[in-house]
Amino acid sequence: EIVLTQSPDFQSVIPKEKVTITCRASQSIGSSLHWYQQRPDQSPKLLIKDASQPFSGVPSRFSGSGSGTDFTLTINSLEAEDAATYYCHQSSYLPRTFGQGTKVEIK
Amino acid sequence: EEQLVESGGGLVRPGGSLTLSCAGSGFTFSNAWMNWVRQAPGKGLEWVGRIKSYVDGGTTDYAAPVKGRFTISRDDSKNTVYLQMSSLKIEDTGVYFCSTGGYYLDYWGQGTLVTVSS
Repeated sequence: EIVLTQSPDFQSVIPKEKVTITCRASQSIGSSLHWYQQRPDQSPKLLIKDASQPFSGVPSRFSGSGSGTDFTLTINSLEAEDAATYYCHQSSYLPRTFGQGTKVEIK
Repeated sequence: EEQLVESGGGLVRPGGSLTLSCAGSGFTFSNAWMNWVRQAPGKGLEWVGRIKSYVDGGTTDYAAPVKGRFTISRDDSKNTVYLQMSSLKIEDTGVYFCSTGGYYLDYWGQGTLVTVSS
């Protein structure tokens, strides 16, 4: 099973700051890495697919990069509505797996 | 607009059974690969399993913790996917989401809560 390890687990950020979340896979998964946002008491929403492609309707301040085993989600100029937990997810192998999540808090 | 609505959650005793449903609308359900993902209280996301579209074989895949206890099926005439859960354990407690997608999971329902407790 592919293990995805996110860092950090928690980040407290002031508005307009830049946020960087990393996701490391236990073996190469190519570009089969996706990012989701889950606001409190809501279902997850797809942000980035295939490592770097924004999903429809996602604000341009969200971007993704990486391939192989190391991936990054960047939020440029954080807004209050971005307070959420962010998860990476791989679809290269079965079973599908998720990272443990990174909680982003607004200071 | 794509919409997924889960139902069927509730309180069940350990060892019991429960069937969840997920109704889809706003997209061609018969072409969609459907997934179940769960989230224990205060914890992260865990993929439970998926069913492919019938045109792609209709086969199922499961995560190890549920294999042999959970069964995913679909009824395209009702635009509905099901999760039959048996031999339920306390650790199966959580919110169960259905989602579309064979690779990335592009649309999600609001979830239904399953509580396994004596």
